[in-house]
Amino acid sequence: QQQVKQSPQSLIVQKGGISIINCAYENTAFDYFPWYQQFPGKGPALLIAIRPDVSEKKEGRFTISFNKSAKQFSLHIMDSQPGDSATYFCAASGYGQNFVFGPGTRLSVLP
Amino acid sequence: DGGITQSPKYLFRKEGQNVTLSCEQNLNHDAMYWYRQDPGQGLRLIYYSQIVNDFQKGDIAEGYSVSREKKESFPLTVTSAQKNPTAFYLCASSPLGEKLFFGSGTQLSVL
Repeated sequence: QQQVKQSPQSLIVQKGGISIINCAYENTAFDYFPWYQQFPGKGPALLIAIRPDVSEKKEGRFTISFNKSAKQFSLHIMDSQPGDSATYFCAASGYGQNFVFGPGTRLSVLP
Repeated sequence: DGGITQSPKYLFRKEGQNVTLSCEQNLNHDAMYWYRQDPGQGLRLIYYSQIVNDFQKGDIAEGYSVSREKKESFPLTVTSAQKNPTAFYLCASSPLGEKLFFGSGTQLSVL
């Protein structure tokens, strides 16, 4: 019940295209859902996060869509750029609970 | 310049040797964490601490030890009991439950 599933494992997108990464969780006690971006040899950095009281959150080219009934959330990267090439992790946490991370998606944006 | 400092960036361990990874934060965060990252995998929690002089085991604590004598510092020792220590180790901190902030990581390899 603590697991967070993430797909796809890897993703190749043309410059200017839309990148979509999906995550699913089981624990209904989770109430905070962040996405982290990690470049090779670096630590992950918080990209965007959402709480279940809203269905969508947008920050620049990055959007989280959240479906509480399906227990799913996704990251959309609009107008993808080569500089977006990185590994993306979804995560979930709740009151009194540690973060649980998905296995990651390696995104490559072709120029 | 606030943040989390991990050192060293690269570390090599000989058979039977204990090694200690340093993690220092000046963000005044109460909680600190250690994660292990293996290639193509997500982050797995080793140990965490929510208050000075107290810490709890995470999902993969065997072969590791920690201390939390100061709020700013949370060193991780990889003991000789850890038979497969080669991995990328990430330290993180948070103001209790939200927004994990990560250091830049330490790559540990076995000689």
